[in-house]
Amino acid sequence: AQSVTQLDSQVPVFEEAPVELRCNYSSSVSVYLFWYVQYPNQGLQLLLKYLSGSTLVKGINGFEAEFNKSQTSFHLRKPSVHISDTAEYFCAVGNQAGTALIFGKGTTLSVSS
Amino acid sequence: GAVVSQHPSRVICKSGTSVKIECRSLDFQATTMFWYRQFPKKSLMLMATSNEGSKATYEQGVEKDKFLINHASLTLSTLTVTSAHPEDSSFYICSARYWTSGSSGELFFGEGSRLTVL
Repeated sequence: AQSVTQLDSQVPVFEEAPVELRCNYSSSVSVYLFWYVQYPNQGLQLLLKYLSGSTLVKGINGFEAEFNKSQTSFHLRKPSVHISDTAEYFCAVGNQAGTALIFGKGTTLSVSS
Repeated sequence: GAVVSQHPSRVICKSGTSVKIECRSLDFQATTMFWYRQFPKKSLMLMATSNEGSKATYEQGVEKDKFLINHASLTLSTLTVTSAHPEDSSFYICSARYWTSGSSGELFFGEGSRLTVL
């Protein structure tokens, strides 16, 4: 069975500060990892994904994540956040590309000025 | 990129009535779609896997007679909440698998449908 743990339910930061949203996963097979962003009353938008290859993955809006197999982590980072980054962020895992994803509980990122 | 559209985006209904939510892949064919339910401040819970031309596969704890899923064509899956009650109020999101040559079969998500049962 697969599972995802997002270690922080809420992360408040000031504008232009760096941020890291933590995600750990559990899986007995090779994994594919994703980060999605959700704005209020909207669907999910893919930020980035790791399928194979380089462990450092760059996504949209200046976000990046690093796959760490030994620590079973896939933390999301951004060096300087904007007010517009305020949203809910979900980490998700799948056991092969295109299967149903299992989501973490989400992390609310709140950026203030 | 691939586009998945849901309709309606918002629906309010009376308790005891049935509500149908549509999920369409607009520019690609999707043999498999997934339905999720999202409670307020909660993560997305996979409800079922919808396969074109066959019965849906429901996750444990999801009432298949309550949440009817039909995937009659390669671009349309529907979720019908039968005899809806206030506890069925939620945000329902669908996703579809998009395959192209050399692609990894990425999932694309609809905009979600908010159901409110009075």
